[in-house]
Amino acid sequence: DTAVSQTPKYLVTQMGNDKSIKCEQNLGHDTMYWYKQDSKKFLKIMFSYNNKELIINETVPNRFSPKSPDKAHLNLHINSLELGDSAVYFCASSRATENQPQHFGDGTRLSIL
Amino acid sequence: GENVEQHPSTLSVQEGDSAVIKCTYSDSASNYFPWYKQELGKGPQLIIDIRSNVGEKKDQRIAVTLNKTAKHFSLHITETQPEDSAVYFCAPTDGDYKLSFGAGTTVTVRA
Repeated sequence: DTAVSQTPKYLVTQMGNDKSIKCEQNLGHDTMYWYKQDSKKFLKIMFSYNNKELIINETVPNRFSPKSPDKAHLNLHINSLELGDSAVYFCASSRATENQPQHFGDGTRLSIL
Repeated sequence: GENVEQHPSTLSVQEGDSAVIKCTYSDSASNYFPWYKQELGKGPQLIIDIRSNVGEKKDQRIAVTLNKTAKHFSLHITETQPEDSAVYFCAPTDGDYKLSFGAGTTVTVRA
């Protein structure tokens, strides 16, 4: 009955590889997000989709590409991984109206060797 | 963009005492002021929020106060318990879906 679930929980890979993180929410929300949390716990939004359409795209390298096959899923694909991509990535969802609480998954810890 | 400052960065309190965390923001258009709690190995979870037409909101042991003129809002936790130990984030927004997270406050409740 997990509300926002991400897979995998841990991802260890070599520099230069391509990897994907999957996210699914069963809350019936229309809006989904990807956040990056660095080693100092700083949380920054990367992308947001509203009903499969991109509405927020922060200054993120184009090696990162979100894909939303339907409004319950938002996946994150990362090409040519770099050392600086090591972080915890969080998926979140919310209702589509303004100022709604965001519900977060438990994160994917990405470690680049 | 929104500049958010959160103080203190760490807070250690004796069990049963109160804890207060302050968040200062720069965007006068901000109208939604949530606080999130992040436990080890988990994602942030909303614990309380307040909208700009309200000055104070309370939910059991936690409360949030808002001063729009001074552009700051605070989280108050009373009768702290060990399970209150976590990282707390403020995340003001002006309604564009973009939460601007503060740098976080690590709260440790000593038994």
